[in-house]
Amino acid sequence: GNSVTQMEGPVTLSEEAFLTINCTYTATGYPSLFWYVQYPGEGLQLLLKATKADDKGSNKGFEATYRKETTSFHLEKGSVQVSDSAVYFCALRGGAQKLVFGQGTRLTINP
Amino acid sequence: DVKVTQSSRYLVKRTGEKVFLECVQDMDHENMFWYRQDPGLGLRLIYFSYDVKMKEKGDIPEGYSVSREKKERFSLILESASTNQTSMYLCASSYQGPRDYEQYFGPGTRLTVT
Repeated sequence: GNSVTQMEGPVTLSEEAFLTINCTYTATGYPSLFWYVQYPGEGLQLLLKATKADDKGSNKGFEATYRKETTSFHLEKGSVQVSDSAVYFCALRGGAQKLVFGQGTRLTINP
Repeated sequence: DVKVTQSSRYLVKRTGEKVFLECVQDMDHENMFWYRQDPGLGLRLIYFSYDVKMKEKGDIPEGYSVSREKKERFSLILESASTNQTSMYLCASSYQGPRDYEQYFGPGTRLTVT
């Protein structure tokens, strides 16, 4: 079946550091891939998505590239800010528009 | 702005009680979803609904039921709450169709069963 594996957290960085959160997936076919973010006390919101191989999703300085050959969708940002502190979820679209989520990675950015 | 609201942010119930969690969306979305969020496990789908009175089991439906009598409202029911149902419950909604429509999430209900 479909599954998503994220790097274990928590991740703690200093402001302006480079961020990578790894995400790999197992799926039949070519699923669409997503990153959702959950800020403290809030529900999840879509950060970016990619719908086919080699697509790059980007938003708010974050980027992720759909790599079919390595079944990966790693999240990157060149210079993180304190306001990026949140929990990040990688997900893929399974059948009938259902999402399959990874376990989440908690990111803390220190000033 | 799309809005998904959940009836309570925090709820404390006793073992064996019947619990209702309500979710309302204001965007005329066809799809609605209930997830539970646990540390280290991410979000797991409990049930989803693609139309009024229609429902489909997700990955962890045991101990839960749902009701969708109106398009905008989707209720999660714990028939007899147990301590292992202590969790954060998130509701979401989306349009239906071949495109990858975004799911919009409510703020969550943190349920504690004692």
